[in-house]
Amino acid sequence: DSGVTQTPKHLITATGQRVTLRCSPRSGDLSVYWYQQSLDQGLQFLIQYYNGEERAKGNILERFSAQQFPDLHSELNLSSLELGDSALYFCASSDQTRNEQFFGPGTRLTVL
Amino acid sequence: ELKVEQNPLFLSMQEGKNYTIYCNYSTTSDRLYWYRQDPGKSLESLFVLLSNGAVKQEGRLMASLDTKARLSTLHITAAVHDLSATYFCAVVLTSGTYKYIFGTGTRLKVLA
Repeated sequence: DSGVTQTPKHLITATGQRVTLRCSPRSGDLSVYWYQQSLDQGLQFLIQYYNGEERAKGNILERFSAQQFPDLHSELNLSSLELGDSALYFCASSDQTRNEQFFGPGTRLTVL
Repeated sequence: ELKVEQNPLFLSMQEGKNYTIYCNYSTTSDRLYWYRQDPGKSLESLFVLLSNGAVKQEGRLMASLDTKARLSTLHITAAVHDLSATYFCAVVLTSGTYKYIFGTGTRLKVLA
């Protein structure tokens, strides 16, 4: 158990819908990262937050957005969902010294 | 743009054999991470390499980093079936923002 929690574990929804994925980092970690993992595209970095502020942006679509709240939990919002958005979405948090990432169990999103 | 390449992408090996997975990256970074992922599961941190010449060992796995060659290796000694998994290396850009780039992954299958 990495100490990072994600909810929900599974999500099934329809095209065009909007969903919110939630992540709580390890105690003491200020950084939160979001990744998308699909079979054909591997592990793609989406976005990073550090203590409430966006710090780095990767291949995140405009339909996706994220934020980190004062209690350091983070949410990833996915809207106007398409079939191709079906994937595993991981959240990770890291410490400030070694920047070692600890991954949550992931949310499996299925868009029908 | 930072690129991280792993080879091989797939590796099937017999128990008891030795093999090396290579991770090459295209720009300067002095931090490299190795992760393990079992099918359908999350990523688990294996090694954190923070300087040129760093070598870390855990059980049958040993990782090293050569920042001048922009190369890291993950060496498997006397493989056992339990090592079957996908292994990812990741490099972080330390200039400006801490943006992680993951390699393509190496899917290892150890045959009994």
